[in-house]
Amino acid sequence: EPEVTQTPSHQVTQMGQEVILRCVPISNHLYFYWYRQILGQKVEFLVSFYNNEISEKSEIFDDQFSVERPDGSNFTLKIRSTKLEDSAMYFCASRQGSSPLHFGNGTRLTVT
Amino acid sequence: DQQVKQNSPSLSVQEGRISILNCDYTNSMFDYFLWYKKYPAEGPTFLISISSIKDKNEDGRFTVFLNKSAKHLSLHIVPSQPGDSAVYFCAASEGGTSYGKLTFGQGTILTVHP
Repeated sequence: EPEVTQTPSHQVTQMGQEVILRCVPISNHLYFYWYRQILGQKVEFLVSFYNNEISEKSEIFDDQFSVERPDGSNFTLKIRSTKLEDSAMYFCASRQGSSPLHFGNGTRLTVT
Repeated sequence: DQQVKQNSPSLSVQEGRISILNCDYTNSMFDYFLWYKKYPAEGPTFLISISSIKDKNEDGRFTVFLNKSAKHLSLHIVPSQPGDSAVYFCAASEGGTSYGKLTFGQGTILTVHP
């Protein structure tokens, strides 16, 4: 069964550094998402992306965050200047039409 | 943000018996409800969904019930198996252009004992 692939599985970075999390959504999917889960908290929506633009974003998704689909297969989340509170599991998801979201296995981001 | 709430942090069930996981919501704009299962070190995996026009949806051992007037949904697993042990998340969406914008509950850890 096709799956959403995320790399790296674990990323450690220093506060203030830029980080890019990468995702390869399922190939025929057109809607892409980023979610995150801070340890001990709920999974929360960050941003949705369709037709090469952001369709919706949460209040968490401030100017420090950006998303990009640089080519036909990758979908990236960039955090410009990481903060300690950005430490979380970041999940990429994709869907096609009215299908439910398919999630990747996540990238654990640790900001020190 | 308490729009979706799973009040039981954990549930323990004997193999072969029924598991019932509950979820409450407050946002009357929610139109579409889903259950996801999550194993450690993996992402959430879709289990079953229901739209607000239905009150029940079945898929094999999994049944979801929706009570719109009570703003309550539940997931029934019959019979429960040890492989069902995981964290179960309830999620909801307003549908339409926000179809994929899910609001999650806190999760319920289900343990099925052999």
